[in-house]
Amino acid sequence: SQQGEEDPQALSIQEGENATMNCSYKTSINNLQWYRQNSGRGLVHLILIRSNEREKHSGRLRVTLDTSKKSSSLLITASRAADTASYFCATDYGGYQKVTFGTGTKLQVIP
Amino acid sequence: NAGVTQTPKFQVLKTGQSMTLQCAQDMNHNSMYWYRQDPGMGLRLIYYSASEGTTDKGEVPNGYNVSRLNKREFSLRLESAAPSQTSVYFCASTWETQYFGPGTRLLVL
Repeated sequence: SQQGEEDPQALSIQEGENATMNCSYKTSINNLQWYRQNSGRGLVHLILIRSNEREKHSGRLRVTLDTSKKSSSLLITASRAADTASYFCATDYGGYQKVTFGTGTKLQVIP
Repeated sequence: NAGVTQTPKFQVLKTGQSMTLQCAQDMNHNSMYWYRQDPGMGLRLIYYSASEGTTDKGEVPNGYNVSRLNKREFSLRLESAAPSQTSVYFCASTWETQYFGPGTRLLVL
């Protein structure tokens, strides 16, 4: 399986703190994406980083990609209670736009 | 735009019954996907369709069939449901990133 793996599996922080979660994958990729899933809902795309990019920002999100280590990190700054959700990395590694998802990090932000 | 829609939202089946999960997208995307998500796990790809008229197996295709009816619609069929198919099913369409439907919760007794 080409599945990525997120670390940690669960994270609990206070509102206002930063949250960092990591993703490791196995083979070369075209791009890596991060998604958020609120309980009982579908996944929502957050950010995409291409294999030739090292860092990308979107609002309070910062994503890094290290292709030599086959890893990525997602940083959420100044967290809010509304950030409570599961976060998944997804790697696009092949043709036909095949995308595989990791097992997710469950983030709880305590007000 | 409605994005990606799925029906039904919730379904209970008895072992051996059949059903079809419907998915439609109005974003003119070529690629569509069916995933299942089990508790505490990520999404596992069941089938995907790179374009109208083509379908391919994903990671866990056994027990499922799909039909890409046209560019908008991609259905998933369970011919003889088993308790192991109890899961939440998500449909997605893709143009660079994936757009997900709200999911169908399926319980097989």
